[in-house]
Amino acid sequence: EPEVTQTPSHQVTQMGQEVILRCVPISNHLYFYWYRQILGQKVEFLVSFYNNEISEKSEIFDDQFSVERPDGSNFTLKIRSTKLEDSAMYFCASSEGAGAGDYSNQPQHFGDGTRLSIL
Amino acid sequence: DQQVKQNSPSLSVQEGRISILNCDYTNSMFDYFLWYKKYPAEGPTFLISISSIKDKNEDGRFTVFLNKSAKHLSLHIVPSQPGDSAVYFCAAKRGSNYKLTFGKGTLLTVNP
Repeated sequence: EPEVTQTPSHQVTQMGQEVILRCVPISNHLYFYWYRQILGQKVEFLVSFYNNEISEKSEIFDDQFSVERPDGSNFTLKIRSTKLEDSAMYFCASSEGAGAGDYSNQPQHFGDGTRLSIL
Repeated sequence: DQQVKQNSPSLSVQEGRISILNCDYTNSMFDYFLWYKKYPAEGPTFLISISSIKDKNEDGRFTVFLNKSAKHLSLHIVPSQPGDSAVYFCAAKRGSNYKLTFGKGTLLTVNP
């Protein structure tokens, strides 16, 4: 079964450094997402991406964050000048459809996440 | 953000019996609901979904029920198996948005 893959599985970075988290969505999916889960808290939406632009973002997704689809397969999340509170599991997801202006809702499929630890 | 609530942090059932996981929501604009299962060190795995135009959706051992007037949905697993032991997340979405709003999850333990 096709799956979303994320690399690395664990990233340790010094505070203030930049990190790039990478994702390969399912190949025929058109909508891409990043979520995060801080330890002990809910899974939180960060951003959605469609047709090479951000379609929706949360209040968490400020100027520190950016997303990119640099080629036909990868989808990346860049966090600039990391802070201690950025430590979390970051999940990438993708879906065929999104239901927002689309013909139908389709489930989002998640990768296994990248654990980001900021020291 | 308490728009999706799973009030039971844990549930324990015997193998072969029914597991019922509950979820409440407050946003009446939600029109698509999903259940995910999550094992430790893995991402959420999609289980089953339901649109607000339906009140029931079934897939094998999994059935989701939606009660719009009560803003409540439930996931039934019959029969429960030890491999079903995981954290179950309820999530909701409104049609004009892209994001999923998650509950905090319920840890299901199925005892042999």
